[in-house]
Amino acid sequence: DAGITQSPRYKITETGRQVTLMCHQTWSHSYMFWYRQDLGHGLRLIYYSAAADITDKGEVPDGYVVSRSKTENFPLTLESATRSQTSVYFCASTERTLVQETQYFGPGTRLLVL
Amino acid sequence: AQRVTQPEKLLSVFKGAPVELKCNYSYSGSPELFWYVQYSRQRLQLLLRHISRESIKGFTADLNKGETSFHLKKPFAQEEDSAMYYCALPPLTNAGGTSYGKLTFGQGTILTVHP
Repeated sequence: DAGITQSPRYKITETGRQVTLMCHQTWSHSYMFWYRQDLGHGLRLIYYSAAADITDKGEVPDGYVVSRSKTENFPLTLESATRSQTSVYFCASTERTLVQETQYFGPGTRLLVL
Repeated sequence: AQRVTQPEKLLSVFKGAPVELKCNYSYSGSPELFWYVQYSRQRLQLLLRHISRESIKGFTADLNKGETSFHLKKPFAQEEDSAMYYCALPPLTNAGGTSYGKLTFGQGTILTVHP
């Protein structure tokens, strides 16, 4: 479980500020993901990345930016935070074996935008 | 478009009672479905996948293609089963393709098992 970490774990910010959420994994998994978790909506995919320097939009990408300069890091940036971005954010990566894939999640970052 | 529906946001049962968490999906083809669980103050983790046909922590889930359902069941609920449960579906892929974990999640069901 310690293979994928997120920081900060809690963050309070103000509307209009830029915020970056960090995600780090030690497994060298190729695929990484950012989800947001909201009651009534479940988990929704924001962005994902197939490898370093390859990223793509998910279901709810507006207002977010990602980068993947190194395989192990996948930061998520809120360019100008809005109250609607108050949520719990989960980073995940996928382990692929010959027979199956398993997605592993980070502990989450609770973000409050005032 | 594929979709996962968990009709119950909240589900309460007493310890020792049977529990069933419902999941319905829309998908063209033969899906691989998952159940994820999130215990209080813990990260989301895979509970079981239908292709394994296994029982984890007493839970089982059967894929019913006719009803497009993948309900999670446990005959005797325990207090430690209290958690948020998500049903998840990978995207459509070409034959021999893979989803690489790009999952579509249901809205989640909060299960509370009372003593």
